[in-house]
Amino acid sequence: GDSVTQMEGPVTLSEEAFLTINCTYTATGYPSLFWYVQYPGEGLQLLLKATKADDKGSNKGFEATYRKETTSFHLEKGSVQVSDSAVYFCALRSGNQFYFGTGTSLTVIP
Amino acid sequence: EAGVTQFPSHSVIEKGQTVTLRCDPISGHDNLYWYRRVMGKEIKFLLHFVKESKQDESGMPNNRFLAERTGGTYSTLKVQPAELEDSGVYFCASSQEGRADTQYFGPGTRLTVL
Repeated sequence: GDSVTQMEGPVTLSEEAFLTINCTYTATGYPSLFWYVQYPGEGLQLLLKATKADDKGSNKGFEATYRKETTSFHLEKGSVQVSDSAVYFCALRSGNQFYFGTGTSLTVIP
Repeated sequence: EAGVTQFPSHSVIEKGQTVTLRCDPISGHDNLYWYRRVMGKEIKFLLHFVKESKQDESGMPNNRFLAERTGGTYSTLKVQPAELEDSGVYFCASSQEGRADTQYFGPGTRLTVL
């Protein structure tokens, strides 16, 4: 069945460090791929998405490229800030269902 | 515009008791979804309403879970009787008709079964 695997956390980085959170997927067909973020005390928010191979989603300095050949959608940011501390979820949409990864907790320290 | 709201934010109950979770979607959103995250694992789909009809309930774990959406507005998810393994965070999401790609999530209800 469809599934998403993302790197386990927690991840702790210093401010301005480079961030990569790995995500790979298994799916039949060509799903849409997403990164969601959950800040403390809030609901999940869509961070970025890509709907077809080689598409790059980007938002708030974060980027992820839909790589069909490696079935990956890794999240990157060149310089993290303290305000980026949150839990990040990789997800794919198949039909009307979302399939999420386990989430990666990121803490950025000043 | 108000977002998706959920009530309560936290619930602590004993095994065997009944709990009802409520979700109010964004006004005008026909699609309403329930998800659950158990003990730091992945967020899993439970079911999907289109207006008041259950479109897909393939993710419901067993018959102790009952979801309703009378009138096609808010939805409730009842767990009866609750078991220890039901503990987790229950998320609700909503989307406009034909926009399954863009689901807006609520803050979740944290359920603890003792």
